[in-house]
Amino acid sequence: NAGVTQTPKFQVLKTGQSMTLQCAQDMNHNSMYWYRQDPGMGLRLIYYSASEGTTDKGEVPNGYNVSRLNKREFSLRLESAAPSQTSVYFCASTPAGGFDNEQFFGPGTRLTVL
Amino acid sequence: GENVEQHPSTLSVQEGDSAVIKCTYSDSASNYFPWYKQELGKRPQLIIDIRSNVGEKKDQRIAVTLNKTAKHFSLHITETQPEDSAVYFCAASPHGRALTFGSGTRLQVQP
Repeated sequence: NAGVTQTPKFQVLKTGQSMTLQCAQDMNHNSMYWYRQDPGMGLRLIYYSASEGTTDKGEVPNGYNVSRLNKREFSLRLESAAPSQTSVYFCASTPAGGFDNEQFFGPGTRLTVL
Repeated sequence: GENVEQHPSTLSVQEGDSAVIKCTYSDSASNYFPWYKQELGKRPQLIIDIRSNVGEKKDQRIAVTLNKTAKHFSLHITETQPEDSAVYFCAASPHGRALTFGSGTRLQVQP
């Protein structure tokens, strides 16, 4: 099993460009999450999907949209990138809904917005 | 909402010594407290977690203690080894709702 995978690993964008970060898991988990990690800060939740067909905002959703394409895949879209969105993005999944379970993280996407 | 403060931000110890990292939380409804380890350039991984119905949990050289009255919890690593060098994050979740993470502690174990 590959676990949680993310593409791309690295990306450089210019201000105003758009892009989609892809995430997939092969553990048959129900819930999936997107976090961002900035230097000197912990992980902050952007959006999550408790189950296929549902999505909810987290702590820092502005400037992002998500799509739970199916049970395996959860994508994060930046419609008009801004320098403040320079960060490392982690996707995660858990077997069941609720945050009181082990979060299985992907390897991360390092995004730079110039 | 929940607020989690973590101290210290950096910690340097000699190999074989113990290391302690402390977190405080603000929401008395929080009942799940995980600790994640993140090696340089890698993904965070769960190393231990505790729920509010217990005061202490151990797993080999790692232990976590929880004081619900004071709203703080701590990670204890004994007999530290160079491979323990990493950034450690605490987090808190109230009743299955979103985790709030601390800002992280960079632990360096000097050989």
